[in-house]
Amino acid sequence: AQTVTQSQPEMSVQEAETVTLSCTYDTSENNYYLFWYKQPPSRQMILVIRQEAYKQQNATENRFSVNFQKAAKSFSLKISDSQLGDTAMYFCAFMSRYGGSQGNLIFGKGTKLSVKP
Amino acid sequence: DSGVTQTPKHLITATGQRVTLRCSPRSGDLSVYWYQQSLDQGLQFLIQYYNGEERAKGNILERFSAQQFPDLHSELNLSSLELGDSALYFCASSVEATRTDTQYFGPGTRLTVL
Repeated sequence: AQTVTQSQPEMSVQEAETVTLSCTYDTSENNYYLFWYKQPPSRQMILVIRQEAYKQQNATENRFSVNFQKAAKSFSLKISDSQLGDTAMYFCAFMSRYGGSQGNLIFGKGTKLSVKP
Repeated sequence: DSGVTQTPKHLITATGQRVTLRCSPRSGDLSVYWYQQSLDQGLQFLIQYYNGEERAKGNILERFSAQQFPDLHSELNLSSLELGDSALYFCASSVEATRTDTQYFGPGTRLTVL
């Protein structure tokens, strides 16, 4: 079974600085998808970024980018120019392309990020 | 706003009771997923429906059931509620049931069992 591990329960960063959140996963599959979701205090789950495992190029979305290391099964999220509105819980998630799971997401435990003024 | 709606936002009930959570997917989305977020278990997949049919089951208790109606809205029924069922229940939707689709989440229903 696939697992997702986020080893940093909490992190903090100064406004305008850069922060990297770590995520590792375990799978025997070759093709899959990885996601970062953000959950602010409102509790809404918001998609931040998505990466297809067959693409070597790292995904970017404005100030958010990932470092996808397939061999190491690592998928970290970099937030540049951190803003107060980035304060949230961040979840790394895995989606299989094959097997019994039909596309459900497997989530890590989350990293609570605080952006300080 | 993801376009996925869930009602009610909050629900407080007693042990042993039964509740129904409702989800309307984004316009055009055929697939609906239910997830449970609790302090001890984190975010867990419960069940998926695609165009009215059950597609996959996760860690869903036998006391829980779901269905997707012809208009594509979905309901999650929780019965014989226990204190441990207190959690945030999310519905997510995607266009199809393929594994390439991104899931968009609703705002969640917070269930408190007293």
